[in-house]
Amino acid sequence: GEDVEQSLFLSVREGDSSVINCTYTDSSSTYLYWYKQEPGAGLQLLTYIFSNMDMKQDQRLTVLLNKKDKHLSLRIADTQTGDSAIYFCAVSTDKLIFGTGTRLQVFP
Amino acid sequence: DGGITQSPKYLFRKEGQNVTLSCEQNLNHDAMYWYRQDPGQGLRLIYYSQIVNDFQKGDIAEGYSVSREKKESFPLTVTSAQKNPTAFYLCASSIEGAKNTGELFFGEGSRLTVL
Repeated sequence: GEDVEQSLFLSVREGDSSVINCTYTDSSSTYLYWYKQEPGAGLQLLTYIFSNMDMKQDQRLTVLLNKKDKHLSLRIADTQTGDSAIYFCAVSTDKLIFGTGTRLQVFP
Repeated sequence: DGGITQSPKYLFRKEGQNVTLSCEQNLNHDAMYWYRQDPGQGLRLIYYSQIVNDFQKGDIAEGYSVSREKKESFPLTVTSAQKNPTAFYLCASSIEGAKNTGELFFGEGSRLTVL
């Protein structure tokens, strides 16, 4: 079945860019998503990209998709302390599969 | 305001007891889901329902049961057969099946601790 992998932790300084990476195995994925989970809360959809796109930008967020390498990334520009959260990628085939989540810690 | 409400937020249970987690949505969504979240393991699908009076097992359904008698409600029962029930449980809904758009709307979660 589909496997979606992420590194568990990322620590960045406030004001720097953050890049969160995700790899997946099923090349038939149609939509790919990034969700954000703040402490003790549910997940919220941040952004998504359709599989025929290479890049999508939305304010401070940039999503890059490399279909050949089955690699998805989320770049957060000018990272703020409020960006500290767990970030999940998710891929959609016949069902939605979530990655393990990356905990982003932003320090002053 | 439209949204998904889970209750209780925190729940403690003794071993051998069944417990039911509530999930209610007023978004008029057809599909509802239950996920379990454990540290370092992401979200795993327990059960999902795409229409009233119908539901399917997810990847880790053993020891859990659900019902979908009303469109708005999708309660999850954690039975004594679930060997490791301590976890954070998330309920979600979507307009239609996740394979179409994948945009899920999540509740705030329920943390179950077995003593």
